[in-house]
Amino acid sequence: DAGVIQSPRHEVTEMGQEVTLRCKPISGHDYLFWYRQTMMRGLELLIYFNNNVPIDDSGMPEDRFSAKMPNASFSTLKIQPSEPRDSAVYFCASSSGLAREQFFGPGTRLTVL
Amino acid sequence: SQQGEEDPQALSIQEGENATMNCSYKTSINNLQWYRQNSGRGLVHLILIRSNEREKHSGRLRVTLDTSKKSSSLLITASRAADTASYFCATDATRGYSTLTFGKGTMLLVSP
Repeated sequence: DAGVIQSPRHEVTEMGQEVTLRCKPISGHDYLFWYRQTMMRGLELLIYFNNNVPIDDSGMPEDRFSAKMPNASFSTLKIQPSEPRDSAVYFCASSSGLAREQFFGPGTRLTVL
Repeated sequence: SQQGEEDPQALSIQEGENATMNCSYKTSINNLQWYRQNSGRGLVHLILIRSNEREKHSGRLRVTLDTSKKSSSLLITASRAADTASYFCATDATRGYSTLTFGKGTMLLVSP
């Protein structure tokens, strides 16, 4: 397996633009997690899915953030409109259990100007 | 908060020396995990220790868990320059359905 795949790896956009981050989890994993990492706040869980269903989105900072998982092999995290304070590295991770070993993707480094 | 906290925040050693990082947490846990993150990369799972275990080894890694003190330590023996990375502990609480909560990490620099 190729591991968790994220795209794009880097995204630079201007304030107000829509940003869509993509993730392909490891085949067979039933949990998918979206995290945001910054120097100030560390690694924050934004939302997680179980069998494609969003379970807990309490970490999503604002209504500007939304996430979907239309099938077991694809998820998106959308920010609309984006703001400079959204600049961070966004990670997707998957696992075969809620508190089991998580496999992380390489991350998307987002810069909002 | 359940969040684990690593100590020290940063550690600088020479190749061949041992590196010890500590993690403290606040509530009862089912298990504790350690992850490594190389610069610009995603986190990589190193080891999982269950609440009923006291010590676990994996290669040059040794993890201990003291549930009475709510703390864990990660020891890397005979460190190498390639061990330079940030190390995070992650815990899941025993109460309800719990995801992993990550600490802010220890940055380890191993100089040749």
